[in-house]
Amino acid sequence: EAGVAQSPRYKIIEKRQSVAFWCNPISGHATLYWYQQILGQGPKLLIQFQNNGVVDDSQLPKDRFSAERLKGVDSTLKIQPAKLEDSAVYLCASSLVGGYYEQYFGPGTRLTVT
Amino acid sequence: AQTVTQSQPEMSVQEAETVTLSCTYDTSESDYYLFWYKQPPSRQMILVIRQEAYKQQNATENRFSVNFQKAAKSFSLKISDSQLGDAAMYFCAYTSGTYKYIFGTGTRLKVLA
Repeated sequence: EAGVAQSPRYKIIEKRQSVAFWCNPISGHATLYWYQQILGQGPKLLIQFQNNGVVDDSQLPKDRFSAERLKGVDSTLKIQPAKLEDSAVYLCASSLVGGYYEQYFGPGTRLTVT
Repeated sequence: AQTVTQSQPEMSVQEAETVTLSCTYDTSESDYYLFWYKQPPSRQMILVIRQEAYKQQNATENRFSVNFQKAAKSFSLKISDSQLGDAAMYFCAYTSGTYKYIFGTGTRLKVLA
């Protein structure tokens, strides 16, 4: 069974530029999560999708971050414009459904904003 | 608001010994789930063990077990017979029926040969 795929693995941009991350969850997983993990901290949930609907985006900085999950499968997270404090690892995870079910994490995208 | 606290930034254990990682949480919900996830260096995060709040029996998975104290809102992870491969960041996580996931700040576990 293929795992959660993410691309790119690394990205370096200048502040005020835009960037997009892509995630392909495990086939059949209805729930998809995007997390931001700043160095030395735990993952912070940015947005959670159930199929192609948003379950929780309360911690997503909506003035600069956006995310979509087309057809309930792949997802894209975008930052525009980027700030220095956006430097972090962006993790994508998926699970059969939310709640008790195990989350399977991708390798993450390490973003550096200079 | 729900919170998850891991008060031990770093722990060390001798190979083959036992170590306990602490986690406390705060919630007003009665039904929720607790998890321990492991993040090895430069590798993907994986689930170690999970506990349903309505179950009084502590969860166990091979060398990993939890001590779940619901009244005290405590959820510690015990690793027995520690192995070099156990070295990693360990995150305690919480979710309720509203599916809001909250992770702690993590504990870095070092295993000494």
